[in-house]
Amino acid sequence: GESVGLHLPTLSVQEGDNSIINCAYSNSASDYFIWYKQESGKGPQFIIDIRSNMDKRQGQRVTVLLNKTVKHLSLQIAATQPGDSAVYFCAETYSARQLTFGSGTQLTVLP
Amino acid sequence: EAGVAQSPRYKIIEKRQSVAFWCNPISGHATLYWYQQILGQGPKLLIQFQNNGVVDDSQLPKDRFSAERLKGVDSTLKIQPAKLEDSAVYLCASAGQGSTEQYFGPGTRLTVT
Repeated sequence: GESVGLHLPTLSVQEGDNSIINCAYSNSASDYFIWYKQESGKGPQFIIDIRSNMDKRQGQRVTVLLNKTVKHLSLQIAATQPGDSAVYFCAETYSARQLTFGSGTQLTVLP
Repeated sequence: EAGVAQSPRYKIIEKRQSVAFWCNPISGHATLYWYQQILGQGPKLLIQFQNNGVVDDSQLPKDRFSAERLKGVDSTLKIQPAKLEDSAVYLCASAGQGSTEQYFGPGTRLTVT
């Protein structure tokens, strides 16, 4: 089946800087996308979602951008903090079918 | 509210042995999922339940994996016999009726030697 992938496996940022994590998806029929954060030894935690009829959605310190033309999704974290260090996954689905997860990006926040 | 509970948290077995994992979803959540997460990869859905019925088990290796949710609440996932490639974290997640937001448990880390 089609899969969701991430451009970079690791990302290091200085504390206080903004982080941008990218995701490419291949299923043009996908209509719902989610970003998850997974800390070591824990299950994935929902961060933010976006439906295909939107191109931007903001939460607390996080923004998700969706570009359907190039099938690209990004997660922006403002003023990155040490507690943001984790693996970030994008996931996609269509018509409420099963979620397909990407392979993840390890975000490391440097002091 | 209490989150998704899973046990055990860790399990080490030898290949060809059997193992079972238990999940207790968030109270009232009708949908329950089991995922397999191999190190360095994203979770992969094994099976989805809606109450006590199976919605999707297309990626469950049915020759060795089985799962049940008899009363529509707790669920167990069993592997018999285990193979080395089954080493992974097994995640359980639940979602409310009609909701797409899945809440994940902490997972069970299985090591097959």
